[in-house]
Amino acid sequence: DAMVIQNPRYQVTQFGKPVTLSCSQTLNHNVMYWYQQKSSQAPKLLFHYYDKDFNNEADTPDNFQSRRPNTSFCFLDIRSPGLGDAAMYLCATSRPTSWVDLYNEQFFGPGTRLTVL
Amino acid sequence: GQSLEQPSEVTAVEGAIVQINCTYQTSGFYGLSWYQQHDGGAPTFLSYNALDGLEETGRFSSFLSRSDSYGYLLLQELQMKDSASYFCAVIPPGKLIFGTGTRLQVFP
Repeated sequence: DAMVIQNPRYQVTQFGKPVTLSCSQTLNHNVMYWYQQKSSQAPKLLFHYYDKDFNNEADTPDNFQSRRPNTSFCFLDIRSPGLGDAAMYLCATSRPTSWVDLYNEQFFGPGTRLTVL
Repeated sequence: GQSLEQPSEVTAVEGAIVQINCTYQTSGFYGLSWYQQHDGGAPTFLSYNALDGLEETGRFSSFLSRSDSYGYLLLQELQMKDSASYFCAVIPPGKLIFGTGTRLQVFP
């Protein structure tokens, strides 16, 4: 089945130790997103790739970076995790038919729950 | 800025009908989406309204009134598996903004 895969499902890191979260997709979608979701809160968009074009949200901290080496894979790098970065990180994809559909139906992966010690 | 308001929690019994409201304020608007998220799970897309009116998909319907900056999700014939959080999300240019979510609890 076509899907969005995130590895690992659970990640523990130490305060200040860089960590990378992975996302892959078999849907052949051209847009990939990274969201941060803290407990009992809504998902918050960090950034997205439209094909190879990177789009950063204005309030995304510089501590968060992303890479998309090809259509199928996208990575979230947290350079120096703080305690406040502990959250669920969700990867999503979409294949918009037009610019106004850019944020239409999105397909989410199961998420990676990050713990910072 | 942008803001979305949803009730924090709604309870209902199996077989009932429940409506989850969403009011929004945003500069620029393309549409309103609804997502379902079970505890520990990923959000799943339910519906998208770009135009005023009602969209029906099985037991779920979604409504939008652009002039009132208001929408709702209607869930009919509630089942226990419908217990989850429901998020409305507005689509202003260049962004997807999720509401704070409504936790629906369905009781037998």
